[in-house]
Amino acid sequence: GAGVSQSPSNKVTEKGKDVELRCDPISGHTALYWYRQSLGQGLEFLIYFQGNSAPDKSGLPSDRFSAERTGGSVSTLTIQRTQQEDSAVYLCASSLFVSGGGETQYFGPGTRLLVL
Amino acid sequence: GNSVTQMEGPVTLSEEAFLTINCTYTATGYPSLFWYVQYPGEGLQLLLKATKADDKGSNKGFEATYRKETTSFHLEKGSVQVSDSAVYFCALSLNTNAGKSTFGDGTTLTVKP
Repeated sequence: GAGVSQSPSNKVTEKGKDVELRCDPISGHTALYWYRQSLGQGLEFLIYFQGNSAPDKSGLPSDRFSAERTGGSVSTLTIQRTQQEDSAVYLCASSLFVSGGGETQYFGPGTRLLVL
Repeated sequence: GNSVTQMEGPVTLSEEAFLTINCTYTATGYPSLFWYVQYPGEGLQLLLKATKADDKGSNKGFEATYRKETTSFHLEKGSVQVSDSAVYFCALSLNTNAGKSTFGDGTTLTVKP
């Protein structure tokens, strides 16, 4: 497809379980972002990948959260030992890298996570 | 740090009314500014952007001007339609660190016929 895809679209899990969320960016986009959107809130930056550079992990809320990007394409966000406060919509976006900034981010439909 | 503050919602207007959604920012560098829109049941998508002071972004009848002196990027539309009902997000990204985008909390707009 032409856009950013994410899977699963919905995930219900029990407190304490681990979850993996997947993002397929637009082909050719070297930058990939993960955000979290809680109900009625804005987007909270989590992590950013750009090419082969070390990712910017400064937005990850705790060491239970991790992400990787294999082969510069697909990314997986892993949440270990999930807590109820992790319930949110997790959004992935990708973009071309523009050295002067101003790049447009293209968002996926999100994964709605509910931790019971 | 960087932050984006936008007008709290929800905003309810009648069709053909004038729309303003205020957005102000603070940034440690020289940002690019964006408005993203999320229509019901859809993902976020770019509405318009401006990358330097005094630039005006425009799309679908919406406009926003990058005002460095007032650190603002207010969204305006002269005549809204029911189809403009959505959540609007103001955002910035720093030219020196493209990954660290900062988003506002979103403003929900409902346009009634």
